[in-house]
Amino acid sequence: QKEVEQNSGPLSVPEGAIASLNCTYSDRGSQSFFWYRQYSGKSPELIMFIYSNGDKEDGRFTAQLNKASQYVSLLIRDSQPSDSATYLCAVNSGYSTLTFGKGTMLLVSP
Amino acid sequence: SAVISQKPSRDICQRGTSLTIQCQVDSQVTMMFWYRQQPGQSLTLIATANQGSEATYESGFVIDKFPISRPNLTFSTLTVSNMSPEDSSIYLCSGLGGDGGYTFGSGTRLTVV
Repeated sequence: QKEVEQNSGPLSVPEGAIASLNCTYSDRGSQSFFWYRQYSGKSPELIMFIYSNGDKEDGRFTAQLNKASQYVSLLIRDSQPSDSATYLCAVNSGYSTLTFGKGTMLLVSP
Repeated sequence: SAVISQKPSRDICQRGTSLTIQCQVDSQVTMMFWYRQQPGQSLTLIATANQGSEATYESGFVIDKFPISRPNLTFSTLTVSNMSPEDSSIYLCSGLGGDGGYTFGSGTRLTVV
């Protein structure tokens, strides 16, 4: 059974700090990896996705992928209170369907 | 990324009735999906909506309970049939765009009383 694991949190960081969110997955054949932000009562919003080992940067966000360790992370630089949300990791194992983790709640304090 | 319009945004329904949720995409997507999200939980895939043919359902979900249509590349419906309070949830549609990203509709919050 394909599994995606995330620490439920909450992860608390002060404003301006770097928030680091982590995700591990069980299917070694997984091909693409997605990070979503979900505010309470809203639908998931795609932040970014990554296919290849290494880092991918988009503004304040950096996704990091290590397929050997089956590990993907999301770094948020200069965290803002508006970044407070639940962050969902999702994995595509090659059949075009996504398996989601349970999400990590991030709290950024002013 | 594709923009997906979903309606209704919320509804309160009597048990035993059915509700149809609609999703319209502003551009062509290769695949469309339907998810359910229970309060405080993550997303569970119900089915993949296939254009012009029967949807592909995940384990635990059946066509009689969740009939799905996708008559063209940009439109899909999910019906929740013969509802019970256990069907109270948020239902979300999603599309896979040409850029490789999956985007979501705004969701339908369903309460069955």
